[in-house]
Amino acid sequence: KAGVTQTPRYLIKTRGQQVTLSCSPISGHRSVSWYQQTPGQGLQFLFEYFSETQRNKGNFPGRFSGRQFSNSRSEMNVSTLELGDSALYLCASSPALQGSGANVLTFGAGSRLTVL
Amino acid sequence: SQKIEQNSEALNIQEGKTATLTCNYTNYSPAYLQWYRQDPGRGPVFLLLIRENEKEKRKERLKVTFDTTLKQSLFHITASQPADSATYLCALLMAGGSYIPTFGRGTSLIVHP
Repeated sequence: KAGVTQTPRYLIKTRGQQVTLSCSPISGHRSVSWYQQTPGQGLQFLFEYFSETQRNKGNFPGRFSGRQFSNSRSEMNVSTLELGDSALYLCASSPALQGSGANVLTFGAGSRLTVL
Repeated sequence: SQKIEQNSEALNIQEGKTATLTCNYTNYSPAYLQWYRQDPGRGPVFLLLIRENEKEKRKERLKVTFDTTLKQSLFHITASQPADSATYLCALLMAGGSYIPTFGRGTSLIVHP
C-alpha cells in the first residue's frame, strides 16, 4: 500500500511569508502527527490530529497551525516565517487510538523548508 | 529537566562487527521505547518497540534492551553491514498520556567495508 506522501518536497521562502505543507497518510490511518527536524534540536513534536481534531500539541508558537480533513489528509501552515523555521518538516501517520501505547509512526520523506 | 541522550558522535565500526548504540533518559517514565532508522533526506523508519516490562527484544540481526533502573536502552546490530549505515533514533512513549513519541537526536552509525 502507498506510504505517507508529503508535498512539496523542497521549498524556499523569504522571511515574513507563509507556507502550507500537505500530508496524505496511509489509507486507514486516522492519526497524523507533524514534527520539525533541525540539526540543533532534533525531532520536535508540533501537533497531532485525529478525526479532524487537534488531539495533542507541542510547544511551538501560534504561527504554526494545522488541520485535518475528513479523508485524514492534513496540512500545516507556518505564518510570518522566520529564519529559524528552516527545517525538515515531517509528517507521520498511525492507526493509533488514544491510549494505544505502541503508536508506531510511519513517516513521510518530509518537506525541506529554507527561509531566506 | 527531561532529557533523552544519544551519543552525538558518529559510531564507526568495521563490517561484521556488532554495533551498540545507547539511549539514556532522565526524568521520564516511559511505558514504551521505540527505535527508528533515518537515512539522509528521508523520514525515520520504525524498527523495534520494547515495553517497560520487557528486558530484551530481538528481530533478525537487531536486539534492543531496556533497563528502567538504569534508565537506558541499548540497540545492537550484529554482523553489521555497510547498508546499516544510517542515523538511529530512540523515542520514548509515556504511560497514561498521549503516547506521542518523544525523540532523541539520534546517533550516526557508519559501517566500513
